[in-house]
Amino acid sequence: EAGVTQFPSHSVIEKGQTVTLRCDPISGHDNLYWYRRVMGKEIKFLLHFVKESKQDESGMPNNRFLAERTGGTYSTLKVQPAELEDSGVYFCASSRAAGGGQYEQYFGPGTRLTVT
Amino acid sequence: RKEVEQDPGPFNVPEGATVAFNCTYSNSASQSFFWYRQDCRKEPKLLMSVYSSGNEDGRFTAQLNRASQYISLLIRDSKLSDSATYLCVVNRGAGGFKTIFGAGTRLFVKA
Repeated sequence: EAGVTQFPSHSVIEKGQTVTLRCDPISGHDNLYWYRRVMGKEIKFLLHFVKESKQDESGMPNNRFLAERTGGTYSTLKVQPAELEDSGVYFCASSRAAGGGQYEQYFGPGTRLTVT
Repeated sequence: RKEVEQDPGPFNVPEGATVAFNCTYSNSASQSFFWYRQDCRKEPKLLMSVYSSGNEDGRFTAQLNRASQYISLLIRDSKLSDSATYLCVVNRGAGGFKTIFGAGTRLFVKA
């Protein structure tokens, strides 16, 4: 079974530019999550999709960030315009419902974004 | 105060040692709990889910105390390959919504 994949693995852009990150979840996983890790800080939740619906986007930093999951398969996270503080590693994870309320998430390798 | 707190570490232990990681969470609505390990510049990998009854997987034992809002991970007979950062992860909500990560505790196992 293929794991969660993310593209690109690295991205270096200038402040003010636009970047789009992509995540392909594990096949059959309805839940898809985006996280971000800024250097020296813990991993922070950004948002959660169930199929194509945003279930919780309370972690999105501001309206420069837009996540979509059309068709409930892969997801994109667009940052427009990028700012220096957006630099970090963006992780995607997916899960399916498990018995007893446990939702084990499986992470992709992350996209390392550097804004200069 | 952070919603999920872990021992700051790092822990430096010899091979064969037993090491315990502690984690507390502040939101009583938290519903599911996990330990992940993260190697340097890699993604978090699920180590164990944590159940109220406690669970064991080989050298690893996880415990949950809901009354004290406390989670633990015990590693017995440490191996060099156990060196990593151990992340305590809590889901707030039945649907896995709003996952909160602890800052992690770094473990170095030395020969």
